Amino acid sequence: DGGITQSPKYLFRKEGQNVTLSCEQNLNHDAMYWYRQDPGQGLRLIYYSQIVNDFQKGDIAEGYSVSREKKESFPLTVTSAQKNPTAFYLCASSTQGFTGNTIYFGEGSWLTVV
Amino acid sequence: SQQGEEDPQALSIQEGENATMNCSYKTSINNLQWYRQNSGRGLVHLILIRSNEREKHSGRLRVTLDTSKKSSSLLITASRAADTASYFCATAPTGGFKTIFGAGTRLFVKA
Repeated sequence: DGGITQSPKYLFRKEGQNVTLSCEQNLNHDAMYWYRQDPGQGLRLIYYSQIVNDFQKGDIAEGYSVSREKKESFPLTVTSAQKNPTAFYLCASSTQGFTGNTIYFGEGSWLTVV
Repeated sequence: SQQGEEDPQALSIQEGENATMNCSYKTSINNLQWYRQNSGRGLVHLILIRSNEREKHSGRLRVTLDTSKKSSSLLITASRAADTASYFCATAPTGGFKTIFGAGTRLFVKA
């Protein structure tokens, strides 16, 4: 079945560590996104990519980094510079970047700082 | 404040009742979408309504759009316990690029 796979579902990070969240899609979508969701809150855009080898900062990119070397993959690294990383992270994709297209989401990854 | 703001923030109803959620936005839009999120899961697209449409149906869902008031409503008829989730509106501003999500309405349907 086509979809978006995020891994791991749960991840614990120690202070000062970088961690990487994986996101893979087999929908043949050009655009991919990373969102952060804090408990009881809406979605905030971290990074997005409209095409391979290109990506743009979203509204809260500080302390995060991404790469888009393959169409199917858009990993997110939460660096030690992100001071409050505990949150629910959602990867998503669409046929083209935004412009009101339907956005398809993965099942999310919980990141907790210990 | 956000482009899309849902109202109410939380809603608790009995199974079988109808649930209505509202979304207001600030700028002109190309379309508006509604998404559902079960607790701890990803968002799932429910329905898209274009700016030149006034009403759209999908199963037990009815969405209206009033561009003059910059508002939309999502009606879930004959609600079920399985409808318990958060519901988000998402707008695509005219001439803009990003899809903007509201903070969501938490719906709790009691069996």
